[in-house]
Amino acid sequence: QITLKESGPAVVKPTQTLTLACKFSGFSLSTSGVGMVWIRQPPGKPLEWLALIYWDDDKHYNPSLQSRLSITKHASNDQVTLTLTNVEPVDTGTYYCAHRRTVQGVMDSWGQGIPVTVSS
Amino acid sequence: IQLTQSPSSVSASVGDRITITCRASRDISNWLVWYQQKPGRAPQVLIYRAATLEGGVPSRFSGSGSGTDFTLTISSLQPEDFADYHCQQAHSLPITFGQGTRLEMK
Repeated sequence: QITLKESGPAVVKPTQTLTLACKFSGFSLSTSGVGMVWIRQPPGKPLEWLALIYWDDDKHYNPSLQSRLSITKHASNDQVTLTLTNVEPVDTGTYYCAHRRTVQGVMDSWGQGIPVTVSS
Repeated sequence: IQLTQSPSSVSASVGDRITITCRASRDISNWLVWYQQKPGRAPQVLIYRAATLEGGVPSRFSGSGSGTDFTLTISSLQPEDFADYHCQQAHSLPITFGQGTRLEMK
């Protein structure tokens, strides 16, 4: 059974860097074909894909946010972190990590999400 | 690839049949995924490859389409189906989602 859980600050000030962690179990990020993504959802707005990392450390970012985003997997392979620099109030929303079933391109398991507010 | 969902919201009753549409800005073959999201919860996958039901999803949900036009149909609405529905294209990066459809009880 795959489980994922996000952690990080609930409130971040404008211009600061947001760092979120996703702790997971039930799979290994060193297994060929495995990917993990970060997705966010501003209040009342659509889902927005942020970043993707594969088992082989190949990384991809949303072009509109690429200069501010970084995704990293850790040596233990049971945690992935996302950093978003120079945050603004428009970055407020719920941030989700998810397991990606690469063959079908499906995010088949999601964390519960972590709400983040950018405010001074 | 932009995805346009319609309608943005729909009101229906238990037992109704409803259809939600997702249109892609270019040909994505059958690389389309549908998710259901309930208030305060993460999305859950319903259908992938446009028409394949995810394990454990009731058979009243079905998907169809290929190329640029796709539909999600719920054949007989149950109380637990009132939620938001999102389409997502899995054809190419960047991953993109539709703007969502809110299914409300009439």
